[in-house]
Amino acid sequence: KNEVEQSPQNLTAQEGEFITINCSYSVGISALHWLQQHPGGGIVSLFMLSSGKKKHGRLIATINIQEKHSSLHITASHPRDSAVYICAATVDKLVFGAGTILRVKS
Amino acid sequence: GAVVSQHPSWVICKSGTSVKIECRSLDFQATTMFWYRQFPKQSLMLMATSNEGSKATYEQGVEKDKFLINHASLTLSTLTVTSAHPEDSSFYICSVETSGSNGELFFGEGSRLTVL
Repeated sequence: KNEVEQSPQNLTAQEGEFITINCSYSVGISALHWLQQHPGGGIVSLFMLSSGKKKHGRLIATINIQEKHSSLHITASHPRDSAVYICAATVDKLVFGAGTILRVKS
Repeated sequence: GAVVSQHPSWVICKSGTSVKIECRSLDFQATTMFWYRQFPKQSLMLMATSNEGSKATYEQGVEKDKFLINHASLTLSTLTVTSAHPEDSSFYICSVETSGSNGELFFGEGSRLTVL
């Protein structure tokens, strides 16, 4: 069993929908990262969380340390949000979830 | 934030040849850089941690003589895939992490290697 589990694996949404991607981890962590990987492979860091909630534009990330769970929310989704979203936990090194393939249709 | 540049972005080579991939931190002095490998439809896997001025730290199962890492300066780390074979075909990506309590991750653009 992977130390970092993501769900769903695939997600298709209609433009404008509210999207939630979940990440659960089974080990103690010092930080949780949300990453976005574009079709060409490039990766952008969206958030780094150690507690609470962060917001950047239409993106919101939350983490519950007690429940070992984090969520990434996208409000008013747009086709340009289509990408792979990856959560990664900092243990003694970065441990990555398998990623969620998001497709937003217009 | 840091800007990380990788080169080449894609490379095709014959089996048995060696390929060098460069990772440059353009505006951040990185004492540590990370090298990852990603096979199709799989997640990123850490291969090794590159340490400036000293030997790299390799993850279990990664052959250090196969994947040579050199981190000779605070802005450049190189990964050389020696005697490449088709099973080495993958997407290789480097990253740096800025220091401090709000350490952020910055990734290179990635290098897609195809070994024929």
